[in-house]
Amino acid sequence: DQQVKQNSPSLSVQEGRISILNCDYTNSMFDYFLWYKKYPAEGPTFLISISSIKDKNEDGRFTVFLNKSAKHLSLHIVPSQPGDSAVYFCAASYQGGKLIFGQGTELSVKP
Amino acid sequence: KAGVTQTPRYLIKTRGQQVTLSCSPISGHRSVSWYQQTPGQGLQFLFEYFSETQRNKGNFPGRFSGRQFSNSRSEMNVSTLELGDSALYLCASSFDGTSPLHFGNGTRLTVT
Repeated sequence: DQQVKQNSPSLSVQEGRISILNCDYTNSMFDYFLWYKKYPAEGPTFLISISSIKDKNEDGRFTVFLNKSAKHLSLHIVPSQPGDSAVYFCAASYQGGKLIFGQGTELSVKP
Repeated sequence: KAGVTQTPRYLIKTRGQQVTLSCSPISGHRSVSWYQQTPGQGLQFLFEYFSETQRNKGNFPGRFSGRQFSNSRSEMNVSTLELGDSALYLCASSFDGTSPLHFGNGTRLTVT
């Protein structure tokens, strides 16, 4: 049972444009959500997080939006840069428990 | 501060063998989690250790086991290897298991 789903395995965006990565979850008890970025041959690195009491969190070019009623999470990258090309994983947890990850979306930013 | 260190980086084993992977967490971190990454499956949670005790466990068979030592270093063991165990195994540490995880670069296991 995939509790966290990233339905788009890949996304291609032009440099300077907005990248929108989506994530859906099924467990309404999740209260903490995170995005990780992974380059080949490296481990995932933490990007940004959001608590379920918020609906938006910004950090520079990265903004995460949470729609609890739709059980939907999205990551916006503006403007997108070639160095953003990587695999992005969303993850969720409940009361500090284990992180459940999605399958990942491979973002390619074209110059 | 040194990051999470995993050894070895690459490993090739044959079916039926067993393997032990090692993870040294960031200094001061007491929680260590293990994940398996395979294409199309994302990161699947294996288990989490905190202060030498297994605190959480994922849905993997008993062939997958782990332990944590008093210095927070952790090992993961897989016995009777199967072809399907070929994957990238990632270790992650955090101070208490609730803060964002810091991942190592993983051990790439290939079972032939």
